[in-house]
Amino acid sequence: GAGVSQSPRYKVAKRGQDVALRCDPISGHVSLFWYQQALGQGPEFLTYFQNEAQLDKSGLPSDRFFAERPEGSVSTLKIQRTQQEDSAVYLCASSPPQLDSGNTIYFGEGSWLTVV
Amino acid sequence: QKEVEQNSGPLSVPEGAIASLNCTYSDRGSQSFFWYRQYSGKSPELIMSIYSNGDKEDGRFTAQLNKASQYVSLLIRDSQPSDSATYLCAVRGSSASKIIFGSGTRLSIRP
Repeated sequence: GAGVSQSPRYKVAKRGQDVALRCDPISGHVSLFWYQQALGQGPEFLTYFQNEAQLDKSGLPSDRFFAERPEGSVSTLKIQRTQQEDSAVYLCASSPPQLDSGNTIYFGEGSWLTVV
Repeated sequence: QKEVEQNSGPLSVPEGAIASLNCTYSDRGSQSFFWYRQYSGKSPELIMSIYSNGDKEDGRFTAQLNKASQYVSLLIRDSQPSDSATYLCAVRGSSASKIIFGSGTRLSIRP
């Protein structure tokens, strides 16, 4: 596809369940980002990959969150033992190789997670 | 202090007028600055990027950057009802990796 693809688009999880959110970046984009956006807030940085290397995971809120990108393409954000405060939109974004030239990031449509 | 700060609004502007949106940032080494527009229920979409001091114009949009004051703004001329959205300021800091977003300013264009 032409854009960043995320699945599932909508997920309702019971508190304590594990969830996995998938991101398929734009072809050829080596950089991949995950953001969390709560209602009425801006996107909050979670983690960043360059190819398969996770270069920054400083935004992951707890050890229940982890992300992987084993082959440098598709990425999965996993949330273990979900809590109500995890309810948010999880946005994936990708960027072409030359991020240091100022190229920006392009977002997918997001995965809307509701924990009940 | 948040790394990127915006007034949350709502900012209400009459149709046809100029809307002015402001943003300040804390990392003096920041290199790249972006404005995104986000409609309700949609993901952010890029409007403008700016990298050097001064003004950059693109159609009805003008981005302004003042690195000494750590200030970036977005002007929307001839505002239209379709401009009603949340505008997110985003900054790529000196680490040259992650992009940090402000909390957004909600803009409403009244007919």
